Amino acid sequence: GESVGLHLPTLSVQEGDNSIINCAYSNSASDYFIWYKQESGKGPQFIIDIRSNMDKRQGQRVTVLLNKTVKHLSLQIAATQPGDSAVYFCAEKSSGSARQLTFGSGTQLTVLP
Amino acid sequence: GAGVSQSPSNKVTEKGKDVELRCDPISGHTALYWYRQRLGQGLEFLIYFQGNSAPDKSGLPSDRFSAERTGESVSTLTIQRTQQEDSAVYLCASSLIYGYTFGSGTRLTVV
Repeated sequence: GESVGLHLPTLSVQEGDNSIINCAYSNSASDYFIWYKQESGKGPQFIIDIRSNMDKRQGQRVTVLLNKTVKHLSLQIAATQPGDSAVYFCAEKSSGSARQLTFGSGTQLTVLP
Repeated sequence: GAGVSQSPSNKVTEKGKDVELRCDPISGHTALYWYRQRLGQGLEFLIYFQGNSAPDKSGLPSDRFSAERTGESVSTLTIQRTQQEDSAVYLCASSLIYGYTFGSGTRLTVV
């Protein structure tokens, strides 16, 4: 089936720097994308989402960029803080499916002091 | 409730035993999902319930896995004759339209 993958399994950034986490997807029918943050021992938490008719969406300190031409999604975190250390998953929903999300394998973000 | 509640939070069982995992979704959420997460991996879809419609069981890995949901309330995931490869965190999520809310999961260890 279709897959959602991440370019890097781990990412280390200095506190205060910006972080960019990338995600590639292969399903051309994907119409909705979500980024989740999962801290150790907890379930994934919603961060931000974007629909396929948009190419950028901003939240508080986070921005999601969508490039449908190359099927690429990125999450940018501004002024990364120690509390941002977690595993980040991208997920996509196909326009042909009933709300089921396909998740990538995740990127471990570590914020260095 | 305020969030999705799962129980137990941890379960250690002997190989060959049956286990039941419980999920209490957010009140009013019509959709409920079960996912499996192996150590260091992403989320693997297991089953999806939507209201009173027939569930989508396409992700269940074998006939040892089954799940039930009564209406739009509690769901139970049952694993029969557990195997060591069943060891994982089992996550439940519920949603109304978009925006899945996950529980904290049940960590299952089969010894």
